[in-house]
Amino acid sequence: DIQMTQSPSSLSASIGDRVTITCRASQTISSYLNWYQQKPGKAPKLLIFAASNLQTGVPSRFSGSGSGTDFTLTISSLQPDDFATYYCQQSYGTLTFGPGTKVDI
Amino acid sequence: QVQVVESGGGVVQPGRSLRLSCAASGFTFRTSGMHWVRQAPGQVLEWVALISYDGSSKYYAESVKGRFTISRDNSKNTLYLQMNSLRPDDTAIYYCASHHGSDYGTAFDNWGQGTMVTVSS
Repeated sequence: DIQMTQSPSSLSASIGDRVTITCRASQTISSYLNWYQQKPGKAPKLLIFAASNLQTGVPSRFSGSGSGTDFTLTISSLQPDDFATYYCQQSYGTLTFGPGTKVDI
Repeated sequence: QVQVVESGGGVVQPGRSLRLSCAASGFTFRTSGMHWVRQAPGQVLEWVALISYDGSSKYYAESVKGRFTISRDNSKNTLYLQMNSLRPDDTAIYYCASHHGSDYGTAFDNWGQGTMVTVSS
């Protein structure tokens, strides 16, 4: 299986900060990479698909970039609703998720 | 308004069976592939199974192959997961989610709130 890693595993940030989360695949996966947001006790929510495409209804402060093995999720100006755990997920091979990055205050 | 509601979870002994259900509304269930995804307490999300829109194709994670069966009833807008020979490491919250396809593969959309399965003696 393709292994996904994320960095950092957690970060502390303030409202208005620009936040960047990195995801790396153990082999090249082209643009077969998605990002999710999960809040405690809730289901994950699809934010970005195919590396850089914003899912309908997701605020434009979220953006994704990258291809091959290295990918980035950026929140341009952190809002109170954005404190959550973020996961990447690849679909180049058997579907696997990264370990998550927790964003808190 | 999309609504996805899982049910059927509970506490079960190792080796026993359980069937999960997922009732969907607010999107075109009968034309959507559907997935089960699970999350063990404090652990990473794990894809479990996928069924095509018409039920003709089914795919499973190696960890559940031969023990779990995914199925659907499009007349009832309901997805199922039959889980047999349950093991303690199957303990998790089980989510159903719709298939989101693009030129670059598969994503999970329209998630339910999940149902907890605990396998313990």
